[in-house]
Amino acid sequence: DAGVTQSPTHLIKTRGQQVTLRCSPKSGHDTVSWYQQALGQGPQFIFQYYEEEERQRGNFPDRFSGHQFPNYSSELNVNALLLGDSALYLCASSDARDSPYEQYFGPGTRLTVT
Amino acid sequence: AQKITQTQPGMFVQEKEAVTLDCTYDTSDQSYGLFWYKQPSSGEMIFLIYQGSYDEQNATEGRYSLNFQKARKSANLVISASQLGDSAMYFCAMREGYNFNKFYFGSGTKLNVKP
Repeated sequence: DAGVTQSPTHLIKTRGQQVTLRCSPKSGHDTVSWYQQALGQGPQFIFQYYEEEERQRGNFPDRFSGHQFPNYSSELNVNALLLGDSALYLCASSDARDSPYEQYFGPGTRLTVT
Repeated sequence: AQKITQTQPGMFVQEKEAVTLDCTYDTSDQSYGLFWYKQPSSGEMIFLIYQGSYDEQNATEGRYSLNFQKARKSANLVISASQLGDSAMYFCAMREGYNFNKFYFGSGTKLNVKP
């Protein structure tokens, strides 16, 4: 049973560019959440997708957008990259019917903006 | 105000001893969930233990137990019989909101287990 997978593992981009990160949820999970984890800090909630719609959003600008596909996989897009966007981006999946709504995290994508 | 506060940036513990990692939280919701995660240097977040706001008993999972004091809004993690493999970052997290969609993490505690 495959867990949460993310691609790519590492990415280097230049300021002003755009980036797309991908996430495949754990089998049977229908909900995907994205987090940004800056070096030395805890993860910060970006947004959550369920049934192909953004269900909840954290304090992130519109430069951060996402998408969920019918197979529940998800993409995180970041436009007009800033140096401060350099971070580990974590994807977590869960089953909306489950209690206590445990999240399973992927290994993350390390984004470096130069 | 911070939703989750972890006041111990780093902790040392001798192998085989117990250690307590502190966590306090802030919410006005009656229904919420508290989690602890372990993050090794590889980066992946590993779920350890969960406590629901209505749970009267403290949660336990093997060597992990959660000391839940609702009135104090604290949810400390206790690791018994520490092992070298327990060396990692530990994050306390809270889930609140309609359908429990909002997840907040603390800044973490770096635990070092000494042989």
